[in-house]
Amino acid sequence: GAVVSQHPSRVICKSGTSVKIECRSLDFQATTMFWYRQFPKQSLMLMATSNEGSKATYEQGVEKDKFLINHASLTLSTLTVTSAHPEDSSFYICSATERGKQETQYFGPGTRLLVL
Amino acid sequence: AQTVTQSQPEMSVQEAETVTLSCTYDTSESDYYLFWYKQPPSRQMILVIRQEAYKQQNATENRFSVNFQKAAKSFSLKISDSQLGDAAMYFCAYREDQGGSEKLVFGKGTKLTVNP
Repeated sequence: GAVVSQHPSRVICKSGTSVKIECRSLDFQATTMFWYRQFPKQSLMLMATSNEGSKATYEQGVEKDKFLINHASLTLSTLTVTSAHPEDSSFYICSATERGKQETQYFGPGTRLLVL
Repeated sequence: AQTVTQSQPEMSVQEAETVTLSCTYDTSESDYYLFWYKQPPSRQMILVIRQEAYKQQNATENRFSVNFQKAAKSFSLKISDSQLGDAAMYFCAYREDQGGSEKLVFGKGTKLTVNP
């Protein structure tokens, strides 16, 4: 139980284009989803928290217009990196908490983004 | 703000031996959760063990156990009978129990190498 998937697992795009990453909870309803960014050999950095049907809460220093988050349903959240630049290249990980069991986050397998 | 400190950037252990990974945290809260997550080379974050601060008994999951010292704000992970598959980055994480914040605060991680 508590499986989270991400798609795509890796993506390469040209500078200036937009990329959408999907995060799905496969076997539970996710009241809250989180988006993290992880640089090589570093810890996870929280970018934003999203609740179903409401606007995402962004961490300080994260541009909300650049990293668009939509949490359309209890099983799906999307992160769109708009007008991507090489410095946006990174590993993006989502996580989700289950309704009634919000204390534990379950993580997706991550998406590696490379912007050329 | 809460902080989580993992003072060991790298650790190594012989297969079948026992290793302890250290974690300390700083908080003024009395109710919270602590976690150890494992991130193998696949980069999938896997929950290893969870501890509720109100519980005095140390959590145990098969070969993994913790030494939770609330007064000292210490939360170490012991891995017994280490296996090659235990090789990974291990992250200690903290989460408040109240106040509406579901955010995890991560330490910088400890890279564990298991030698055959």
